[in-house]
Amino acid sequence: DAGVIQSPRHEVTEMGQEVTLRCKPISGHNSLFWYRQTMMRGLELLIYFNNNVPIDDSGMPEDRFSAKMPNASFSTLKIQPSEPRDSAVYFCASSLGQDGYTFGSGTRLTVV
Amino acid sequence: QKEVEQNSGPLSVPEGAIASLNCTYSDRGSQSFFWYRQYSGKSPELIMSIYSNGDKEDGRFTAQLNKASQYVSLLIRDSQPSDSATYLCAVNIRENNLFFGTGTRLTVIP
Repeated sequence: DAGVIQSPRHEVTEMGQEVTLRCKPISGHNSLFWYRQTMMRGLELLIYFNNNVPIDDSGMPEDRFSAKMPNASFSTLKIQPSEPRDSAVYFCASSLGQDGYTFGSGTRLTVV
Repeated sequence: QKEVEQNSGPLSVPEGAIASLNCTYSDRGSQSFFWYRQYSGKSPELIMSIYSNGDKEDGRFTAQLNKASQYVSLLIRDSQPSDSATYLCAVNIRENNLFFGTGTRLTVIP
């Protein structure tokens, strides 16, 4: 199994641009999570999906952030427009039921 | 109060010693508890899970859970320099949401 696959690994963009982060969960996992990690705030849950349906998006910081999961093997996190304070590492994770999560390698986003 | 709290450290121990990492959580209804290890620049990696009171051992790692005190700990015996990393405590709060502590940075000194 290739694990959770995220792309791109690194993204540098200018303030105001649209950014799209991508994730392919482990096949057979029914839950998918988007986290953001910063030195100041640690790992923060942004949104999670169960069986492709968004369950809890209370962690999404504001309307500039949106996430979709059109099928069981793909999810996107979009930021439009991006701001410098969005700079962080964004992790996607997947799980089956109540098992611990498996994380992807993350996307390091820098907004200048 | 944060959902999951850990000492940020850093915690330094000599090689061969026991490293003790602690975590408290706020939700008495939590049922699932996890420890993750995160090397610098890498993603969190699951190393231990525990679901019932008491100790759970896996190699050099022992997880301890006390639900009455809302306390989880991780002991690393015979610490090695390769154990140097940030250790994240995670607690299942509200259905399938895992909340993470901010992590404890461990350094094992050769």
